[in-house]
Amino acid sequence: NAGVTQTPKFQVLKTGQSMTLQCAQDMNHNSMYWYRQDPGMGLRLIYYSASEGTTDKGEVPNGYNVSRLNKREFSLRLESAAPSQTSVYFCASSEVMSGSEAFFGQGTRLTVV
Amino acid sequence: QQQVKQSPQSLIVQKGGISIINCAYENTAFDYFPWYQQFPGKGPALLIAIRPDVSEKKEGRFTISFNKSAKQFSLHIMDSQPGDSATYFCAADSGGGADGLTFGKGTHLIIQP
Repeated sequence: NAGVTQTPKFQVLKTGQSMTLQCAQDMNHNSMYWYRQDPGMGLRLIYYSASEGTTDKGEVPNGYNVSRLNKREFSLRLESAAPSQTSVYFCASSEVMSGSEAFFGQGTRLTVV
Repeated sequence: QQQVKQSPQSLIVQKGGISIINCAYENTAFDYFPWYQQFPGKGPALLIAIRPDVSEKKEGRFTISFNKSAKQFSLHIMDSQPGDSATYFCAADSGGGADGLTFGKGTHLIIQP
């Protein structure tokens, strides 16, 4: 039972490079999320997708774009990476209702130099 | 604007003791309050959750106490064990659940043997 799968697990980018973080879930959830985790800052929502075909900005969307490719997959793209985007990125999924458990992937540790 | 304030930032408890982590929220629209546990190198995982229509919820050694009038809730870990050493996040969710959780900044808990 895979749950939420993120790739890659680790990545080092140079400033200005672009990359896409991939996320897939096999629980048939409608909602998917991208969070970033920084020391002392908790988890902050970057973008979310309440259902296939829709995406919305979260708390810290600047510098990122997302694509909900289908119900299973939700990707996060950094068009021009900056050192401030060095972080651990988590993808999560849940049902669309308050009180639904959010399931998280294992994270992508991104370093921008 | 931080909508969920969590304290303390770090906590050291002796084995067998009680660990207490506190959270306060501002948005009265929140109607679901989960706690997530995160081990190093892993994604957060749901530990226990409560809705504001009850004042306490217990699952094994873990208890959430909820004070709606004070807009505060806390996690109590009884008989704390070294395996409980992890980072704990409180969170809050408002109606619908599709737009993601609002997390506290986290508490790094160390249980000393």
